[in-house]
Amino acid sequence: GAVVSQHPSWVICKSGTSVKIECRSLDFQATTMFWYRQFPKQSLMLMATSNEGSKATYEQGVEKDKFLINHASLTLSTLTVTSAHPEDSSFYICSARDGRGLNTEAFFGQGTRLTVV
Amino acid sequence: GENVEQHPSTLSVQEGDSAVIKCTYSDSASNYFPWYKQELGKGPQLIIDIRSNVGEKKDQRIAVTLNKTAKHFSLHITETQPEDSAVYFCAASERNTPLVFGKGTRLSVIA
Repeated sequence: GAVVSQHPSWVICKSGTSVKIECRSLDFQATTMFWYRQFPKQSLMLMATSNEGSKATYEQGVEKDKFLINHASLTLSTLTVTSAHPEDSSFYICSARDGRGLNTEAFFGQGTRLTVV
Repeated sequence: GENVEQHPSTLSVQEGDSAVIKCTYSDSASNYFPWYKQELGKGPQLIIDIRSNVGEKKDQRIAVTLNKTAKHFSLHITETQPEDSAVYFCAASERNTPLVFGKGTRLSVIA
């Protein structure tokens, strides 16, 4: 099946610093990628939809200036958590869909566990 | 927008027994219903999906049923094994809109 690679798998950073997470579709072109956040023992909450070549669409309550999303190519989207705080500590997961078809499967990356100290 | 309810939140079964997880959705326009398995510290893995033009789909020990009239769909795992223990999420979407997830079911298979 299709592979989505997310990097890094875990990161620890100091409060106030920024962290970049990469999401790559390895064997298909993803015109749309999605970024989710998951707190312990909870479901996946959509943060934003990343469209190649255009601005991301953010869900209500998600600060676009804090969670910067860049989707510069059909295989790469990045999420940058700026000025991170301990409450930003969470499991961040990206998802990509093959852009060639309608309603295709969504494949997920391995996730990135962010810990802000 | 779409709202997906999932039950039960936890489920324990004896090895070899069957497990059933049920989901309901609210948006009649949704036409894609995947199920994901998530192990601790990992991203969700697609295990089976169904589209609205199909009522049932089976893949070895895993099957999914869909009732569009009632707006509910279910995951059935037969002959459960300890390695089936994980958190399972149902989801729904319309065309290529973002998936809306249920809250998850923690399945424990007891050997």
